[in-house]
Amino acid sequence: GAGVSQTPSNKVTEKGKYVELRCDPISGHTALYWYRQSLGQGPEFLIYFQGTGAADDSGLPNDRFFAVRPEGSVSTLKIQRTERGDSAVYLCASSPRGEETQYFGPGTRLLVL
Amino acid sequence: SQQGEEDPQALSIQEGENATMNCSYKTSINNLQWYRQNSGRGLVHLILIRSNEREKHSGRLRVTLDTSKKSSSLLITASRAADTASYFCATDPGQTGANNLFFGTGTRLTVIP
Repeated sequence: GAGVSQTPSNKVTEKGKYVELRCDPISGHTALYWYRQSLGQGPEFLIYFQGTGAADDSGLPNDRFFAVRPEGSVSTLKIQRTERGDSAVYLCASSPRGEETQYFGPGTRLLVL
Repeated sequence: SQQGEEDPQALSIQEGENATMNCSYKTSINNLQWYRQNSGRGLVHLILIRSNEREKHSGRLRVTLDTSKKSSSLLITASRAADTASYFCATDPGQTGANNLFFGTGTRLTVIP
């Protein structure tokens, strides 16, 4: 079946602009995770959804970052007033209920100029 | 901050040789997982080992876990050129209701044909 998909695959924006990154999880997966990966580093946890609610948003770096999952499926990561330091690959992963393995999407590469 | 550290940071071997990567982590875990990443994009789950397990096998992969030393190793036997990728360990602290993963810095493996 279809895996996790993320759009856009690449996003170039200017400092100060607002961006939205979308994640379509595998159908039926209740858990959804966002991670950020900087060049040469491992992924860093941002936020976790179980269903529609953000069960853990402790990884969000500051209040410019926000994520939603209104219907318990698609999620959008929103970044306000982007900064050059936000440039990274943003990865989304999903899991079915009760399973610890995470299934990752291909990521969105964000470049803030 | 990253939960784990991988060693070595980079490894180059000849096809047919075995590759061993090590991971150390800092806090107690519910399980430890290994993921593979090609070209800095999506991660693929390889194997999961629980805190009460010491060794696990999957095909050409062998994972060990020593919770007293807070360390794990991944062995890839009879390596192939297609195994060239970055390998990450990820720990799941097992907090109730969440399976957030904390990734190490990764080992970049190059298998020379």
